[in-house]
Amino acid sequence: AQRVTQPEKLLSVFKGAPVELKCNYSYSGSPELFWYVQYSRQRLQLLLRHISRESIKGFTADLNKGETSFHLKKPFAQEEDSAMYYCALSLIKAAGNKLTFGGGTRVLVKP
Amino acid sequence: ETGVTQSPTHLIKTRGQQVTLRCSSQSGHNTVSWYQQALGQGPQFIFQYYREEENGRGNFPPRFSGLQFPNYSSELNVNALELDDSALYLCASGLQGPSSYNEQFFGPGTRLTVL
Repeated sequence: AQRVTQPEKLLSVFKGAPVELKCNYSYSGSPELFWYVQYSRQRLQLLLRHISRESIKGFTADLNKGETSFHLKKPFAQEEDSAMYYCALSLIKAAGNKLTFGGGTRVLVKP
Repeated sequence: ETGVTQSPTHLIKTRGQQVTLRCSSQSGHNTVSWYQQALGQGPQFIFQYYREEENGRGNFPPRFSGLQFPNYSSELNVNALELDDSALYLCASGLQGPSSYNEQFFGPGTRLTVL
């Protein structure tokens, strides 16, 4: 069965500092990886997915199949980045397109 | 276009009771998924409905059941409530198509407390 691990429950950084959220997964096939974000009092929303290979709000994430990781990075954190971040995995062409989520990392960006 | 809506916002039940949670999909979407999010944890997949049939299920017992209606609204029913069922229940809608994955859009959730 697939599994997603986010080892950090809380990341606290100062504004302008780099931030990296770790995500490791276990699955022997070819998964699709995603980062979802939940800002205070807002619903869960997609931040980015590895297939898109794009930068969203300054965030990037690279899928490393050798290390089975999909870490999220931003070189200069902003206060508005404070939120809960979830790494998620979906199996390509699987019935149901279910998302398997990690436990989440809370990011706090201090002024 | 309207987003995913869920009702009620909050609900308190006692152990052994039954509960029904409701979800309205985003306009144009044809799949509805339900997730359970316990406090301090990530969402866990319960099941998905597509064309009014269950289309994938997570590791949840049969007392968790659902329905999808022709207008793509959906219900999550939980029988014989247990204390551990206390959680935030999230509904997500999406568009099943030829590509391998379609983005899922989440509702605000229903907070269920079982006493």
